Amino acid sequence: EDQVTQSPEALRLQEGESSSLNCSYTVSGLRGLFWYRQDPGKGPEFLFTLYSAGEEKEKERLKATLTKKESFLHITAPKPEDSATYLCAVQSSNYQLIWGAGTKLIIKP
Amino acid sequence: NAGVTQTPKFQVLKTGQSMTLQCAQDMNHNSMYWYRQDPGMGLRLIYYSASEGTTDKGEVPNGYNVSRLNKREFSLRLESAAPSQTSVYFCASSGVVNQPQHFGDGTRLSIL
Repeated sequence: EDQVTQSPEALRLQEGESSSLNCSYTVSGLRGLFWYRQDPGKGPEFLFTLYSAGEEKEKERLKATLTKKESFLHITAPKPEDSATYLCAVQSSNYQLIWGAGTKLIIKP
Repeated sequence: NAGVTQTPKFQVLKTGQSMTLQCAQDMNHNSMYWYRQDPGMGLRLIYYSASEGTTDKGEVPNGYNVSRLNKREFSLRLESAAPSQTSVYFCASSGVVNQPQHFGDGTRLSIL
């Protein structure tokens, strides 16, 4: 059964304290892995797509990496405005997305 | 630059009532989707439309119907609302099915 698990469920960091969020998956025929950011009361906002193991993508303080079993979203020197819920989704062979439950990130000034 | 627009933003219904959630996108996307988001769970696909004129069931279609009215608009209908359908509903669109999806800001629906 296709499955996506994100950890931790919640993460509290001080401003400037770097860390990583994890997305582990089992899927038949991975077509792509997507990272999104969701602010309270808003829809998910697209961040990155990764297609193959070893691929990396960067945007400002965020860097996403992919292996055959998991993806990491690394956050370097985060700021309070990085506080949000980060969602991971994998696209299986039938093109449907399977979503994780998200990691709620809180950055304290 | 509206992107994906959902209406209404909030709605309260009584059990057994019906309603239609509206979604429109202005990005000339071919594919559109309806999801529900419940606390502690990932987004779950209700229905999708890979292209104008086609619709298919997702993971949780029971109790819902959809209409792809034209390329821009994709509506979700609850024929007889049940408390288990209390949720936040998101509409999304993508150029084609393997491209990133872009989301509206959701409809918060409560069924009493």
